[in-house]
Amino acid sequence: DAGVIQSPRHEVTEMGQEVTLRCKPISGHDYLFWYRQTMMQGLELLVYFNNKAVMDDSGMPKDRFSAKMPNASFSTLKIQPSEPRDSAVYFCASRRQVNEKLFFGSGTQLSVL
Amino acid sequence: QKEVEQNSGPLSVPEGAIASLNCTYSDRGSQSFFWYRQYSGKSPELIMFIYSNGDKEDGRFTAQLNKASQYVSLLIRDSQPSDSATYLCAVNPSGTYKYIFGTGTRLKVLA
Repeated sequence: DAGVIQSPRHEVTEMGQEVTLRCKPISGHDYLFWYRQTMMQGLELLVYFNNKAVMDDSGMPKDRFSAKMPNASFSTLKIQPSEPRDSAVYFCASRRQVNEKLFFGSGTQLSVL
Repeated sequence: QKEVEQNSGPLSVPEGAIASLNCTYSDRGSQSFFWYRQYSGKSPELIMFIYSNGDKEDGRFTAQLNKASQYVSLLIRDSQPSDSATYLCAVNPSGTYKYIFGTGTRLKVLA
């Protein structure tokens, strides 16, 4: 299997611009997670889905962030407008219902200037 | 209080020694506990998980869980320079499928 696929690998943008991060989970995985990693805060859970439905988005700043999962094989995380404090590595991860192993994608390094 | 706490390190050990990494968690009802390894610039990868009190061994790695003390640890025997990485503790809070991570402990194994 190809693993969790994220795109782009790197994104550099200017403050105020819209940013869209993309994720394709492992085929057959029921759960999809979006995490943000910074040196100061570590890995923070932003949102997670079960069978395309949002289960918990309490970690996501709702005023500028939105996450969608229109089908079982694709999810997006959108930031609009972006701010310098959004600079971080964003990871997508997925797992099966019956197996607790969480598999991570390679991450998207976001820099907001 | 953070939900999952780890000492950020760095923890430096000589090659061949035992490295001991510790983690405490706040949700007493948590059921599942995980250790991930993250090399610089890479994504986290699962190395151990444990559900029951006691020890679980896998090769050079041993995970230890003490639910009464809300404490999880990871021992790495015969440490190698290739073990140098950040080790992340993760907890599955009760009643959820989400994973809460600690900030990680940076391990340096000195050749």
